[in-house]
Amino acid sequence: KAGVTQTPRYLIKTRGQQVTLSCSPISGHRSVSWYQQTPGQGLQFLFEYFSETQRNKGNFPGRFSGRQFSNSRSEMNVSTLELGDSALYLCASSLGQNNGYTFGSGTRLTVV
Amino acid sequence: GQNIDQPTEMTATEGAIVQINCTYQTSGFNGLFWYQQHAGEAPTFLSYNVLDGLEEKGRFSSFLSRSKGYSYLLLKELQMKDSASYLCAYDRGSTLGRLYFGRGTQLTVWP
Repeated sequence: KAGVTQTPRYLIKTRGQQVTLSCSPISGHRSVSWYQQTPGQGLQFLFEYFSETQRNKGNFPGRFSGRQFSNSRSEMNVSTLELGDSALYLCASSLGQNNGYTFGSGTRLTVV
Repeated sequence: GQNIDQPTEMTATEGAIVQINCTYQTSGFNGLFWYQQHAGEAPTFLSYNVLDGLEEKGRFSSFLSRSKGYSYLLLKELQMKDSASYLCAYDRGSTLGRLYFGRGTQLTVWP
């Protein structure tokens, strides 16, 4: 079966712009989590959605937001981009239980 | 990561055995994951330990001690392709859908 698909793979934006990233989970998976990965901080949790509801949110500013659609696909949006937002953004899907998280290949965002 | 520690770097030679340790402090602990991540790629699932003890999967084994807040990943018969970052992470019953990651251990396997 198809894995977790993230688009686009690479993105270059300038400071002040906004960006939307997309994640299509494995078919049947209802939970989608988002993480930011940087060399200095490692993997940091952004938020998690289950059945179109945000269940958990990490310690990121309000510029970071997300949503989930009825088909479980999820998007995350970052507004007013800053240089420090440059990172690999990963999403992971699961059946909604406390195990079995499968990651996508990520979106590499560069802010210049 | 939040209260979860692992060494930053390790090196080993082909054919050897290496043990990557991970310690954590948390309440409401559910289980401990290990992921492998090659540069520029997605983390891939290696193991998930809920109960104390050793679980073996081919060349890879993972151990958990809940009372000590300690886990390790054991890699046997190392191959060059095992050069990667190894991430430990735990989940908690109170925060569904969220993993708490260590910063990863970069393993380099030399010929």
